[in-house]
Amino acid sequence: SQQGEEDPQALSIQEGENATMNCSYKTSINNLQWYRQNSGRGLVHLILIRSNEREKHSGRLRVTLDTSKKSSSLLITASRAADTASYFCATAKTDSWGKLQFGAGTQVVVTP
Amino acid sequence: EAGVAQSPRYKIIEKRQSVAFWCNPISGHATLYWYQQILGQGPKLLIQFQNNGVVDDSQLPKDRFSAERLKGVDSTLKIQPAKLEDSAVYLCASAVDRGTGELFFGEGSRLTVL
Repeated sequence: SQQGEEDPQALSIQEGENATMNCSYKTSINNLQWYRQNSGRGLVHLILIRSNEREKHSGRLRVTLDTSKKSSSLLITASRAADTASYFCATAKTDSWGKLQFGAGTQVVVTP
Repeated sequence: EAGVAQSPRYKIIEKRQSVAFWCNPISGHATLYWYQQILGQGPKLLIQFQNNGVVDDSQLPKDRFSAERLKGVDSTLKIQPAKLEDSAVYLCASAVDRGTGELFFGEGSRLTVL
């Protein structure tokens, strides 16, 4: 079974708008990661947030983590057409020895 | 630095036939993963290697799937015999070491079983 579940399943926005997607998970984690996948390609790592961190930024990306609610959010600011992709959260459980489990993803479409 | 290499990129076979996928991870990466991604779903871990030993293969259908990582470098994933439900993209990923965080993915091998 998948550890993380993203919400919404799909998101359609205009260029320049912000995109927010959420991830919920079930068990204690060491870290949570977000990946992007363009159509027909492999996954690309975006950002990692550790269980003792609450917020992290990388360029136009902002990730939050609430371990009490077992949830995370990914915000993409000032979106561009090139941000069109599927976004996945992945969790590494505390006793998993690096095993990374992915959610079902959020499909984001950014129209010019 | 070269990325994770996978081949073939595409493969079409009939059910009950066999197929093998190859992965060459980033040089020096100790941990190697095989994931199965069915269309519209997230990647599902099949097997995780640490050097040439198996760390986790709990979700590998061992009656038909096998994988090996000889000498702790390249890896092959084999399916024999294939079923229709095995149609998916098979993604290989590597990491510097388990628990270190970021995974580096290859472009994947897309399998269609007819």
